[in-house]
Amino acid sequence: KQEVTQIPAALSVPEGENLVLNCSFTDSAIYNLQWFRQDPGKGLTSLLLIQSSQREQTSGRLNASLDKSSGRSTLYIAASQPGDSATYLCAASPSGTYKYIFGTGTRLKVLA
Amino acid sequence: NAGVTQTPKFQVLKTGQSMTLQCAQDMNHNSMYWYRQDPGMGLRLIYYSASEGTTDKGEVPNGYNVSRLNKREFSLRLESAAPSQTSVYFCASSEVVGELFFGEGSRLTVL
Repeated sequence: KQEVTQIPAALSVPEGENLVLNCSFTDSAIYNLQWFRQDPGKGLTSLLLIQSSQREQTSGRLNASLDKSSGRSTLYIAASQPGDSATYLCAASPSGTYKYIFGTGTRLKVLA
Repeated sequence: NAGVTQTPKFQVLKTGQSMTLQCAQDMNHNSMYWYRQDPGMGLRLIYYSASEGTTDKGEVPNGYNVSRLNKREFSLRLESAAPSQTSVYFCASSEVVGELFFGEGSRLTVL
């Protein structure tokens, strides 16, 4: 059974710092992995989708990497800003299914 | 663009009452999903529909039923609400195992 873990649960950093959020999954047989942002009281917004044949995806200051053999994905945020404060969730789609399994998220606070 | 629309946004029920959460997407996606989000538990899959005409159980299906009314609409029904079903419910859609798009959520309280 696929399990997805995100550590740490919460993180505070000063503005301008580069940071890495971690996502681990137990079964390397995944179809794709997706990173989301969730603001308080809101829905989830898709940030980056990495398909199993890809190693990374980039969008602006965000870069997500995928290493299936080690069961890890990382989300790199460059030059963090207070507006980046939110909860970041990752979700893995096990191969052969139509489902996404979510981690519990990392709550990020960027201090001005 | 509306994307994924959920109704209602807020609902308060008494134990034993029934209700239906509605979800519609305008992106012509084949797959639709219902998740619930509880503090410290992340998002857990209740039911999903890989394509029109099919539905399957997720991790936490007990106490819920779903209907894929057509390609656009996927409803979630609570037949006899319980306090344990107090949660935020999210509908999502995607192409088959593609990028997942979420609605804004429906906040349900069962007293």
